[in-house]
Amino acid sequence: LAKTTQPISMDSYEGQEVNITCSHNNIATNDYITWYQQFPSQGPRFIIQGYKTKVTNEVASLFIPADRKSSTLSLPRVSLSDTAVYYCLVGDMIKGGSGGGADGLTFGKGTHLIIQP
Amino acid sequence: NAGVTQTPKFQVLKTGQSMTLQCAQDMNHNSMYWYRQDPGMGLRLIYYSASEGTTDKGEVPNGYNVSRLNKREFSLRLESAAPSQTSVYFCASSGSGLAGPSSYNEQFFGPGTRLTVL
Repeated sequence: LAKTTQPISMDSYEGQEVNITCSHNNIATNDYITWYQQFPSQGPRFIIQGYKTKVTNEVASLFIPADRKSSTLSLPRVSLSDTAVYYCLVGDMIKGGSGGGADGLTFGKGTHLIIQP
Repeated sequence: NAGVTQTPKFQVLKTGQSMTLQCAQDMNHNSMYWYRQDPGMGLRLIYYSASEGTTDKGEVPNGYNVSRLNKREFSLRLESAAPSQTSVYFCASSGSGLAGPSSYNEQFFGPGTRLTVL
């Protein structure tokens, strides 16, 4: 299983762009990178997933360099409601959870993002 | 469409008591999971079921048993609860994992069960 490293915590202000970087030096060829968000007293919620280059959806962008040894979750113009813990997961999403093993199901401690007014 | 539901929401047990946490999903997902989350920590996988009729151990299976009752339901049982099992338990489910590199298995989580073992 690919191990991930993220900052324990980050601070920012409303209206700013926030970038959270995740290192995954031993990512495998079939591994995808997935980010989840968790608010207090709730289960995690899927944000975005990617394999290479850039992925964008309505809430975030995910930048993955060519060597795929790291990835950056970008949250544009954050608000107070973006205060949460963000988890980076790496694993084979085809195998993981659908018959091939628990790959990609290691959440780690995540990054606690605090947004201030 | 309720998504993933868990019962109970809260539970207090005494050491040595047993209980079963229930989880159900109505999204026709093949895979289901049980996690625990201790204060200030990330989620750790206890058991998972890749498909109906199969279960496998995750990172921290000791002290737990699971049953995939049918495609909808996946229960977690504590046979003899210990204070170290005080935690928040999350159930999740994910889809079938279609073949091909463009697919993914987004997990949908339930609201959690807060368990205290005295």
